Parts: sequence; structure tokens; C-alpha cells
Amino acid sequence: SYELTQPPSVSVSPGQTASITCSADNLGNKYASWYQQKTGQSPVLVIYQDTQRPSGIPERFSGSNSGNTATLTISGTQALDEADYYCQAWDSSTGVVFGGGTKLTVL
Amino acid sequence: QVQLVQSGAEVQKPGASVKVACKASGYTHITFPIHWVRQAPGQRLEWMGWIHGGIDNTKYSQKFQGRVSITRDTSANTAYMELRSLRSEDTAVYYCANGASGYLDYWGQGTLVTVSS
Repeated sequence: SYELTQPPSVSVSPGQTASITCSADNLGNKYASWYQQKTGQSPVLVIYQDTQRPSGIPERFSGSNSGNTATLTISGTQALDEADYYCQAWDSSTGVVFGGGTKLTVL
Repeated sequence: QVQLVQSGAEVQKPGASVKVACKASGYTHITFPIHWVRQAPGQRLEWMGWIHGGIDNTKYSQKFQGRVSITRDTSANTAYMELRSLRSEDTAVYYCANGASGYLDYWGQGTLVTVSS
């Protein structure tokens, strides 16, 4: 089965840039998406098709995907960005696959 | 604007079944695709399967194959997820989500299913 690997945690200071990675074999050949989930809430799509931002998502969220790694970048990180972030891809045999999630701490 | 509203929390005994509903509004076409994702307490998101297409094509995660059924009533704009032979490890929040292009853009509010004797 296809598996996505994320770091369990990332810390960033307010105003700095946070980068969260997601790794898998040939991930760059698939589309990657990213979700933000705050405590007790449903996930929210923040990036789809590697680089696209849904309507209403701030410009400070951006994405890239190449080789074996997709990256979510949050520029000028704010306290309200503190959340769990999940990457996701579609595999033709496995279906929807999620990474293990990364807890972003803004301190 | 697409909205997904799920049925309320459930408490079930081990060995029983649960059926969670997901009512959709704001769609412009009838054959809406719906995924089901669950999240055990403190754990990762876990995809269970989806239903899509005009003839109710379904695809299930290998983990749940044989124990889960995803159906829909297009006249009621409602999708359902039934999980059978419940065990304590199935205690989780179950989400429905809309997604036709490999990503899940709208999510329901979640339904807590507790399995306890």
C-alpha cells in the first residue's frame, strides 16, 4: 500500500516561515493536497493539486511537490495557524491516502 | 456553497452495526461523490471509502473491505456509511467529505461513534 510520511511536529516563531514536508515514493507524479485541522474541528482544505489555494485560504499558504516530497509552506506564520496539518494523495490502487499528520506549534 | 450535515452521535455495543447519514446541499448535479474518513481519538485521519458516479460506483479501503457499505439516496441528497461488527477500536469521529478530483474540499461536522459494552 502507498504511505505518506510527515514529521510529527514542527515549531516556528510568529512571523517566520514554517515548512511541513510529506514524503513517499514518486509523490511528485501524483497530486498532493493539504488539510488544516484545529482541535475539535473538521479538517479544512488549504492546498489542492500541489499548489492551488481554495477560495478563502490566505496567500501565506503555499505548496510544492517534486520528486519524493511535497511541502506546505506558511509564510509569516500567525498564532491562529497553530493546528495539525495532514498531507493527502490519491493512489489508483489504495485510494485516498493521508499522512500521519504534523502538529504545528507557533511559539 | 456545498454543505454537508451529518447525523448525531451514536453509542453502540460491540458486534452491532452503525449507520451514519450525510445530507448534502448546494450541489448542482445529482451524482455527488462522497468520501468517508474517520479519526480515532488522538489519531490520524483514515480513509474508509467513497461513492461516485451515476451508477453508484464504490471503492473501499482494504482495511474495511467486507465490513463497510457506502450508499446514497439521490432523491434525498443523502449518503450513508454503515459499519458492521463494531469493536472498541472503531470508536472514532466519522466524517463525510465531498471530493471528485482526488481531494476533499467540503467536510461534514463529524459524527462521534462510541463502541462500548
